[in-house]
Amino acid sequence: DGGITQSPKYLFRKEGQNVTLSCEQNLNHDAMYWYRQDPGQGLRLIYYSQIVNDFQKGDIAEGYSVSREKKESFPLTVTSAQKNPTAFYLCASRRQGMARGGYTFGSGTRLTVV
Amino acid sequence: GQQLNQSPQSMFIQEGEDVSMNCTSSSIFNTWLWYKQDPGEGPVLLIALYKAGELTSNGRLTAQFGITRKDSFLNISASIPSDVGIYFCAGRSNDYKLSFGAGTTVTVRA
Repeated sequence: DGGITQSPKYLFRKEGQNVTLSCEQNLNHDAMYWYRQDPGQGLRLIYYSQIVNDFQKGDIAEGYSVSREKKESFPLTVTSAQKNPTAFYLCASRRQGMARGGYTFGSGTRLTVV
Repeated sequence: GQQLNQSPQSMFIQEGEDVSMNCTSSSIFNTWLWYKQDPGEGPVLLIALYKAGELTSNGRLTAQFGITRKDSFLNISASIPSDVGIYFCAGRSNDYKLSFGAGTTVTVRA
């Protein structure tokens, strides 16, 4: 079955460390997105990519970086510059050119700073 | 993107009750989406609305796209325990970016 796989499910980071969250999809979707979710808030867009080798900043990109070397993969790196990284991170994808349909989400990665 | 105004923030409902939640925006959207998120999981699409005034059902769920294109509501009829979760509205603009509400947490009393 096609879907989006995020790994790991839980991740612990020490202060000052960079960590990378994985997102892989086999839906043949062109666009991929990273969102951050905090309690009591809606999802906020970190970065998105509409085609391979191209990506744009979302609303809260500071302290994060991404790459899109393959259509299937869109890893997110949380750098030491992100002052409050503890959150639930969601990856999503969408097929370009489809006026209908929503985004497909992965099951998330919970990042905790220790 | 903007954050949409979703209400109520939380609700406790009796099994068998009908419930309603809504979302408003200061901007016009061309699509409204309703998602449900279970604890520790990603959101799953429940209903998508593409046209102002559209009323769409999915089982016990009914949602409407407001005439002004700035609001939407979701109704759940005859609540059951598995309706527990967080419900999010999302509005999609022409650039396909989504703006989300803060969510409505639903807890069902058995």
